[in-house]
Amino acid sequence: SQQGEEDPQALSIQEGENATMNCSYKTSINNLQWYRQNSGRGLVHLILIRSNEREKHSGRLRVTLDTSKKSSSLLITASRAADTASYFCATEKTSYDKVIFGPGTSLSVIP
Amino acid sequence: GAGVSQSPSNKVTEKGKDVELRCDPISGHTALYWYRQSLGQGLEFLIYFQGNSAPDKSGLPSDRFSAERTGGSVSTLTIQRTQQEDSAVYLCASRLGTGGHGYTFGSGTRLTVV
Repeated sequence: SQQGEEDPQALSIQEGENATMNCSYKTSINNLQWYRQNSGRGLVHLILIRSNEREKHSGRLRVTLDTSKKSSSLLITASRAADTASYFCATEKTSYDKVIFGPGTSLSVIP
Repeated sequence: GAGVSQSPSNKVTEKGKDVELRCDPISGHTALYWYRQSLGQGLEFLIYFQGNSAPDKSGLPSDRFSAERTGGSVSTLTIQRTQQEDSAVYLCASRLGTGGHGYTFGSGTRLTVV
């Protein structure tokens, strides 16, 4: 079964609003990563958070990690139409393991 | 190169034919991955190369699928006797060494089996 599961599956918001996506996973991890995918092609790495970290920021992105609940959230503040994409979380169980992706959240930002 | 390059970008093939998909990773990236993504779905892990170690082939869906990585750089994914269910976008990604780094993805090869 997949390690990460995003929630919700789809999200539609107005431009300027904040978007929050959640990711739950099943086993212990070394790190968790968030990616964005436009137009069903290559993914772009957004942010990586290690298991001993609780929060990371990158521009308008804020990621939190709660290892006790085995969950992470991605917050995009002041969303823009260009943020419309699919967002995936991916987990790595050990530093020598492959990364397993969840099914993704489809975000639509309406101008 | 500056990024991960995949070729061809699109491939249409007849059922039963063999296809080869190519991936040129970022120079110096020792780890290379192949994933498959069906329309509207998540990424399905196929195979993972790390340096000179034996590849992790646990994700290959059948013995019709194989991959090699020559000289620790370019990788080729081969699908023999293609079936319609093989239609998908095949994504390659590379990264520095082992964990703690994000992947850099190529733009993928969209394979259509007719």
